[in-house]
Amino acid sequence: DAEITQSPRHKITETGRQVTLACHQTWNHNNMFWYRQDLGHGLRLIHYSYGVQDTNKGEVSDGYSVSRSNTEDLPLTLESAASSQTSVYFCASSGSRTGYRNEQFFGPGTRLTVL
Amino acid sequence: GENVEQHPSTLSVQEGDSAVIKCTYSDSASNYFPWYKQELGKRPQLIIDIRSNVGEKKDQRIAVTLNKTAKHFSLHITETQPEDSAVYFCAAPTSGSARQLTFGSGTQLTVLP
Repeated sequence: DAEITQSPRHKITETGRQVTLACHQTWNHNNMFWYRQDLGHGLRLIHYSYGVQDTNKGEVSDGYSVSRSNTEDLPLTLESAASSQTSVYFCASSGSRTGYRNEQFFGPGTRLTVL
Repeated sequence: GENVEQHPSTLSVQEGDSAVIKCTYSDSASNYFPWYKQELGKRPQLIIDIRSNVGEKKDQRIAVTLNKTAKHFSLHITETQPEDSAVYFCAAPTSGSARQLTFGSGTQLTVLP
């Protein structure tokens, strides 16, 4: 079955380190998104991509970057981790196969702690 | 951009009672309104959505209503059960982009046995 996966599921790192969170989907979706989830703030968009080589900044993009070299993967990189980036990170994808172009499917999430 | 307000932030109901969660949006061009359910420690999952060409949609015990004039939509859960306890998020297309969603801040629903 098609799915969307994230790795690692849990990560502890130190301030200043570079961290990369992986996201992989097998739906062949064009659209991929990264969100962070913090209590009281819901899901806030970090970066998104509408296809290979396409990347765009979201609402809270400072300190994060993404790259899209193929359809399946959208890795999220924290260039220099800060304690304010401690959060739960969700990757999502959407495409036309569902019939609703906006419907987003979420990965299981990565809990990141920056000490 | 789109602004989605969701209320209440927490809601407690007795098992068997109904629960209603409301969201307002700002962009009158928005045409798709999904609701996601997130159980503790799990990923958000779509439970129901509505297009702007209908006013109401039902799926068993859940329903969504849409008032385009007032720019608000609501989730209704009837005959609530303990397994309905979760965080619920509404969303609307981000202004200018049909492929992005702006999410509400979430409602923690607790169904008391």
